[in-house]
Amino acid sequence: NAGVTQTPKFQVLKTGQSMTLQCAQDMNHEYMSWYRQDPGMGLRLIHYSVGAGITDQGEVPNGYNVSRSTTEDFPLRLLSAAPSQTSVYFCASSYSPAGRFYEQYFGPGTRLTVT
Amino acid sequence: TQLLEQSPQFLSIQEGENLTVYCNSSSVFSSLQWYRQEPGEGPVLLVTVVTGGEVKKLKRLTFQFGDARKDSSLHITAAQPGDTGLYLCAGGSISNFGNEKLTFGTGTRLTIIP
Repeated sequence: NAGVTQTPKFQVLKTGQSMTLQCAQDMNHEYMSWYRQDPGMGLRLIHYSVGAGITDQGEVPNGYNVSRSTTEDFPLRLLSAAPSQTSVYFCASSYSPAGRFYEQYFGPGTRLTVT
Repeated sequence: TQLLEQSPQFLSIQEGENLTVYCNSSSVFSSLQWYRQEPGEGPVLLVTVVTGGEVKKLKRLTFQFGDARKDSSLHITAAQPGDTGLYLCAGGSISNFGNEKLTFGTGTRLTIIP
């Protein structure tokens, strides 16, 4: 079991470039989410998904797109990178069948710098 | 937007001392989770509390959920260097799909000095 994997681990982009952060999980979890972590602000939810084909926005969705074509994968796309998107990005998954009190399993993170 | 404020933001104490970290909000949450995060890694769940007034113990760590389910505290007894890390609280609320989604607090960075 690899758990939650994220690639790449580090990335430097120029303003205006686009890219996709990859996230995969092998635990057959329905619920997946993307967070960004900035100093002094904890983790903020960008987008989440409750199953293949079903996604919704979190607190800070602007500038990011997601899709969920399979249970395993949940990529995050930056459409036109901006310096404000410099952050550490975490993907998480959990088993959450319209229920509560679930544990989220986090990936190791992607450190993104936009210059 | 629900906000969770943690205090203190930074805490540095000597090994063997006791400490308390607080997590406060004006919103009511369906559950409250505490995570610990090591440098370069993702957060790892420590505990989930779901009932107002609930107290859970995990070895030297004691977690309490406020009676009104708006706040929580984490108390560490006889802190050890292995307790060093970033502590994050996270409040649960119901998403548009009926699942619970989490709002994370601002974090407390704890350093235990040997």
